[in-house]
Amino acid sequence: NAGVTQTPKFRVLKTGQSMTLLCAQDMNHEYMYWYRQDPGMGLRLIHYSVGEGTTAKGEVPDGYNVSRLKKQNFLLGLESAAPSQTSVYFCASSYERGAKGTGELFFGEGSRLTVL
Amino acid sequence: AQSVAQPEDQVNVAEGNPLTVKCTYSVSGNPYLFWYVQYPNRGLQFLLKYITGDNLVKGSYGFEAEFNKSQTSFHLKKPSALVSDSALYFCAVRPSFSGGYNKLIFGAGTRLAVHP
Repeated sequence: NAGVTQTPKFRVLKTGQSMTLLCAQDMNHEYMYWYRQDPGMGLRLIHYSVGEGTTAKGEVPDGYNVSRLKKQNFLLGLESAAPSQTSVYFCASSYERGAKGTGELFFGEGSRLTVL
Repeated sequence: AQSVAQPEDQVNVAEGNPLTVKCTYSVSGNPYLFWYVQYPNRGLQFLLKYITGDNLVKGSYGFEAEFNKSQTSFHLKKPSALVSDSALYFCAVRPSFSGGYNKLIFGAGTRLAVHP
């Protein structure tokens, strides 16, 4: 199994450009997440989804949008990129039994985004 | 505010010596506790978790962690370190269920360097 796959792995953008990061999982997980990782700050949750057609805001949602049109895919969009969005982005998924799931996340390999 | 603290940015250990990576948390109730490991240019991988029961939990690659409720700590340990254990380690906590989805709270990470 491929697990969680993110594309692209690297991208350089100019300020104001837009782009979409794609996450695909083949484990039939209900929950999917987008995190960003910055030095010394750990992982911060951007948006998450508890099922197809539903999304919710995490800790740092501003400047990002997401969509979950299919259960296996979770897209993260930047409408107008800013240098502050330079980061490594991780997608994750989990199998949850309602809201009391045990919390084990499966992560993708990451997407390194640089905004000039 | 709910938080997870990893007080050491880096831990240096000689190969063959025991290692400890510290984690304390400030979360109400009875949280679920996790350790994840991140190797260079990779996504996070699940190591182990504490949900309930025995305070000492064993995980992948010979790691174990001890839950201490009175000290609100969940330190990661290994009896004999390997050079290949060198990586970034994250502690994470999921607060007790209180309705809705309770997201994981990650610590900032501790870099473990094992020297030959």
